[in-house]
Amino acid sequence: SQTIHQWPATLVQPVGSPLSLECTVEGTSNPNLYWYRQAAGRGLQLLFYSVGIGQISSEVPQNLSASRPQDRQFILSSKKLLLSDSGFYLCAWRLGRSGNEQFFGPGTRLTVL
Amino acid sequence: AQSVTQPDIHITVSEGASLELRCNYSYGATPYLFWYVQSPGQGLQLLLKYFSGDTLVQGIKGFEAEFKRSQSSFNLRKPSVHWSDAAEYFCAVVPSGGSYIPTFGRGTSLIVHP
Repeated sequence: SQTIHQWPATLVQPVGSPLSLECTVEGTSNPNLYWYRQAAGRGLQLLFYSVGIGQISSEVPQNLSASRPQDRQFILSSKKLLLSDSGFYLCAWRLGRSGNEQFFGPGTRLTVL
Repeated sequence: AQSVTQPDIHITVSEGASLELRCNYSYGATPYLFWYVQSPGQGLQLLLKYFSGDTLVQGIKGFEAEFKRSQSSFNLRKPSVHWSDAAEYFCAVVPSGGSYIPTFGRGTSLIVHP
């Protein structure tokens, strides 16, 4: 069966510090991968998605970036965090066939102070 | 671009009462439709989905949803709510062609009173 992991589970970082969140998927190959941010009471905002290694599409311009160095690894990064980067970050995957649902990881709670 | 509206931010029901969560979408064609549930501090779990065919779909945990094309709606229902159903519920829409870019509603928080 497939599983998705995210780490760390929680993170407290000072403003201006770098960020690296990791997401890995097991039990499938060539998944489509997604990064979302969820702010309190504001639903899910799609940040990045990837259909293959090295292929990243950005939905929202900001100081975050994403990379996919391996087929089942998706990394969210920032060189300098802002207060507004605080939130709950969710990674998701799906198979590349039309209509399949997304499967979500447990999330990372990021607090920028 | 498609949009999703969940008009109720919070809904409070008594345990054992029936439930209906509303979802309306805006899209030029019939999209793929989903309902997800999120417990506090956790990821989202799929409750049910609609792609085509029978407009009444059954999901996990006793939930069902009905697609109404004329109303551009996909409302979630449950005949008898349990205390464990207290959570955040999200409706999502995906275009039926092109890139798989989901649009999520802002969510409805369900509170269940004993």
